[in-house]
Amino acid sequence: SAVISQKPSRDICQRGTSLTIQCQVDSQVTMMFWYRQQPGQSLTLIATANQGSEATYESGFVIDKFPISRPNLTFSTLTVSNMSPEDSSIYLCSVRSTSPSSTDTQYFGPGTRLTVL
Amino acid sequence: QKEVEQNSGPLSVPEGAIASLNCTYSDRGSQSFFWYRQYSGKSPELIMSIYSNGDKEDGRFTAQLNKASQYVSLLIRDSQPSDSATYLCAVFSGGYNKLIFGAGTRLAVHP
Repeated sequence: SAVISQKPSRDICQRGTSLTIQCQVDSQVTMMFWYRQQPGQSLTLIATANQGSEATYESGFVIDKFPISRPNLTFSTLTVSNMSPEDSSIYLCSVRSTSPSSTDTQYFGPGTRLTVL
Repeated sequence: QKEVEQNSGPLSVPEGAIASLNCTYSDRGSQSFFWYRQYSGKSPELIMSIYSNGDKEDGRFTAQLNKASQYVSLLIRDSQPSDSATYLCAVFSGGYNKLIFGAGTRLAVHP
């Protein structure tokens, strides 16, 4: 399985500011994803980070609020812009691994716990 | 109808018992099914994957898949207090090319 790291692990931010979360994978992966998990809730997919092209956003998420970069096959960033307390969540990076023995298996990074005051 | 449904629980079982977690899904074309375990404050950890009808065993865990009934289950034998966590069922929707998660079932194993 891929080893995924995220920075920062947690942060406390003021409303109106922006935070960029970094995701690094120890191997090249085709597909990287960003999820949000609000307190007591399940995982919601924000977007698929595409290498060399714009991210694909899910319904309810827009690029102006959650700009994503994917400069290469091992790295991605998610920015949470103009934050409000409603953005307080855990943000998770995820990668999909495809091999003969593990078709379409997805793994998650440790997450970034964001609190917006 | 939600795409992946789970009973939110909590499911409470005594130590040593079998815990049975259930999940139904709506997309008949789904081919890949996963169970993740999530401890409080941690990220989801993949514990089982299953792709074919029937049972798949890994240690104390058994995943069961019935595509005709659109049903996936996870059995945990000899449950331990350390198994207390939220278990997320996830289904890969080929039509949407994404993993869809259920709301999760909270399991509590008491000594």
